[in-house]
Formats: sequence, structure tokens, C-alpha cells
Amino acid sequence: GDSVTQMEGPVTLSEEAFLTINCTYTATGYPSLFWYVQYPGEGLQLLLKATKADDKGSNKGFEATYRKETTSFHLEKGSVQVSDSAVYFCALITNNNDMRFGAGTRLTVKP
Amino acid sequence: DTAVSQTPKYLVTQMGNDKSIKCEQNLGHDTMYWYKQDSKKFLKIMFSYNNKELIINETVPNRFSPKSPDKAHLNLHINSLELGDSAVYFCASSQSTGVSDTQYFGPGTRLTVL
Repeated sequence: GDSVTQMEGPVTLSEEAFLTINCTYTATGYPSLFWYVQYPGEGLQLLLKATKADDKGSNKGFEATYRKETTSFHLEKGSVQVSDSAVYFCALITNNNDMRFGAGTRLTVKP
Repeated sequence: DTAVSQTPKYLVTQMGNDKSIKCEQNLGHDTMYWYKQDSKKFLKIMFSYNNKELIINETVPNRFSPKSPDKAHLNLHINSLELGDSAVYFCASSQSTGVSDTQYFGPGTRLTVL
């Protein structure tokens, strides 16, 4: 079935470091792809999304490009801040509107 | 104004009890969802309703029963609570059932069963 695999954490970086969180997917058809973020003690917030191949989603300095050839949607940010510390979830929506999430990657950014 | 709200935020109860979690969205969306997030942060869909009709019902014990009195509300009732039901439950909504429709999540309800 459709699924999402993302790199397991935790990931610990120093402030201003470059961030990559890998995400790959398996799906029939053409899913939409999402990154959600969950800050400590809070609910999920949409970070960015892409709905077709080669689309690039971006928000708050984060970017991810929908790569159909490698079935990937890796999340990147050029310079992380302490306030980016959170759990990041890659997700897709299947053809029957079922949202599938990856296991989540915890990011800790140290000053 | 909160777009998707859930009550209560925390719920602590004994095994065997029956409890409900309420969800409301003021976005005018047609579709609502319930997700369960376990202790390892893994999110799994439980139910989905579109215009008050059930469209997704994953393999969930029949002790869990969703109820949608109108498009803006999707409540989750749980009978005979078990220890394994302890988790964070998230409600979400989307405009419709389209594959590109963003789902907006509530703040979550942390359920602890003692």
C-alpha cells in the first residue's frame, strides 16, 4: 500500500547549520506530498506542500521538491534556528483521501 | 479564532470507563478526520467523514465510534477504555476529499488510561 519513509532521528544540529531530512514515498497514482511540523506540546501544523512532480514547496526558509523519478520529497533549510526544534512529519494523501504519515523526525537545534 | 478545536486537551481516566472527545472546525470544510498518535509519534488515521458520511474506517476496535452531528463537528466516543488506548488523538479537517486538499489539525487530546 501507499506509504512514507523518512529518516529516523533524532537529529541534533548547531544553530545556522544546514538541515536535510530525507523522505521517500511509495504510492499508486500521483499523490500530493506534505511536510508537517509539531512543536513541543502543540498540534500539527502544515509547513509546506507540493501537488505534482517538480513542484517546490517552501515556507519559513524550508524547501522540498517533489521528485517523481526518485519518489522523494526531502526537506531542507539552509540555516536552522533554535526555534526550529520540533518533530517533522512527511506525509502523502492517497487516491482515496487517506493521509499517510512518516514516523516523524525529531530535530533539536542547539545554540 | 481557532480553526480546528478539540476538547478536552487532557483526559485522564480509569480502564473500563467510557469517554468522548469533541472536535469542531469553523473553516467551512466538508471533510473531517480522527488520527491517533502513539508514544513513538507515529500518526495513524482512524476515521474520515465527508458531509457527515463515513468514508474511511481503518481497522479500529468497535469500541471507538465517531459521530458527526453536522459538517462542523466530529466527535469520538470510546467505550470500555483500555491501557493501549493511551495516546494523543488529533482531529483534522479539509475542504473536501481531493488528493491535494490540505488537512488542518486540531491541537490534540492527550488521553491517559490508568
